[in-house]
Amino acid sequence: GQQVMQIPQYQHVQEGEDFTTYCNSSTTLSNIQWYKQRPGGHPVFLIQLVKSGEVKKQKRLTFQFGEAKKNSSLHITATQTTDVGTYFCAGPSSPSGGYNKLIFGAGTRLAVHP
Amino acid sequence: NAGVTQTPKFQVLKTGQSMTLQCAQDMNHNSMYWYRQDPGMGLRLIYYSASEGTTDKGEVPNGYNVSRLNKREFSLRLESAAPSQTSVYFCASRAGVGGFTEAFFGQGTRLTVV
Repeated sequence: GQQVMQIPQYQHVQEGEDFTTYCNSSTTLSNIQWYKQRPGGHPVFLIQLVKSGEVKKQKRLTFQFGEAKKNSSLHITATQTTDVGTYFCAGPSSPSGGYNKLIFGAGTRLAVHP
Repeated sequence: NAGVTQTPKFQVLKTGQSMTLQCAQDMNHNSMYWYRQDPGMGLRLIYYSASEGTTDKGEVPNGYNVSRLNKREFSLRLESAAPSQTSVYFCASRAGVGGFTEAFFGQGTRLTVV
């Protein structure tokens, strides 16, 4: 079945450094979503990418969707302590699954040291 | 507007006991999901319901059953709890049938099986 792989599993940065997490799917995705989970909290939706090669920005966060729609990345510029948490990518299942399944990557846990 | 509500928030079970985790959403969403989260494993889909009256297996369905009681409610039952089911369980809902809507998560249920 479809797999969504995410690297790295853990990243520790000094405040002000940049951070990137990568997401790779074993199959072509119709779209990809990104979520953030603060420590002790629940996942919260950040953004959705739909088009091949799409790039979206939210302040210091830049999201990209690969040309082949099988990979994506999230880049944070000049991290702040408020960026601490786990970042997940998620993609819907294959057409045979009706796109109703939402499969998550294992997540990248970001630690930011002041 | 409460969003997605899960009960209970915490639970300790003895091996072999049964229990039902409750989930309700007040957003008139069609699709509902149950995930479990274990350290380093991300969010793994247990079961989902694309619409009222339907349920389907996710990635890790063994040891669980679900009921989509009505459009609002989606419950997860552990018939005979095992220590391997110690985890944080999240319920989520999405508006549409299909892959292009964001998921909203409940606060989670922390389950310990001893």
